[in-house]
Amino acid sequence: QQQVKQSPQSLIVQKGGISIINCAYENTAFDYFPWYQQFPGKGPALLIAIRPDVSEKKEGRFTISFNKSAKQFSLHIMDSQPGDSATYFCAASMQSSGYALNFGKGTSLLVTP
Amino acid sequence: GAGVSQSPSNKVTEKGKDVELRCDPISGHTALYWYRQRLGQGLEFLIYFQGNSAPDKSGLPSDRFSAERTGESVSTLTIQRTQQEDSAVYLCASSPTYGNTIYFGEGSWLTVV
Repeated sequence: QQQVKQSPQSLIVQKGGISIINCAYENTAFDYFPWYQQFPGKGPALLIAIRPDVSEKKEGRFTISFNKSAKQFSLHIMDSQPGDSATYFCAASMQSSGYALNFGKGTSLLVTP
Repeated sequence: GAGVSQSPSNKVTEKGKDVELRCDPISGHTALYWYRQRLGQGLEFLIYFQGNSAPDKSGLPSDRFSAERTGESVSTLTIQRTQQEDSAVYLCASSPTYGNTIYFGEGSWLTVV
């Protein structure tokens, strides 16, 4: 079954706007939560990741917000650019499974000029 | 090489034939993962290796799928008696050790006709 649920499936944002993608998980044993960015024809690339001992992590225009009690985490892309148009996947993993990533189904982001 | 290398990049095979997909992880990476991505879908975990041991084979879709790894280097994913539903991109990823960033290759696109 899908261990990580991601929404929305697709998202259109104007240039300069904020893109927000949400994920939820059930397994409290997960202890690593990365976001991957994938362009067509390419493999996914790590964008940013967080561990559950912090509530927020920021790297440039990308921020992860993490709510451990709600078992939810989200990606915020500030000042979205057309070059950010890609598919974004959230994921969760845990030590007992060798940190094999459990992915959400992905969000297709389109940033319009 | 600098990244995870996969071959072939594209493979068209007839239904019922066997195929082998190869992954060369980043040098020194002990953990190796295989995923399947159907068109427009998320990433489905297949198997992971720690060294040449595969602690978790639960993601392999059927007994037609098998994988092996030589030491801490090359891995091969074999699909026997291919079916049309096996058509997908097969992605390999590697990581230096548990809990570190997982780096993906660009995938092997398999089409079964």
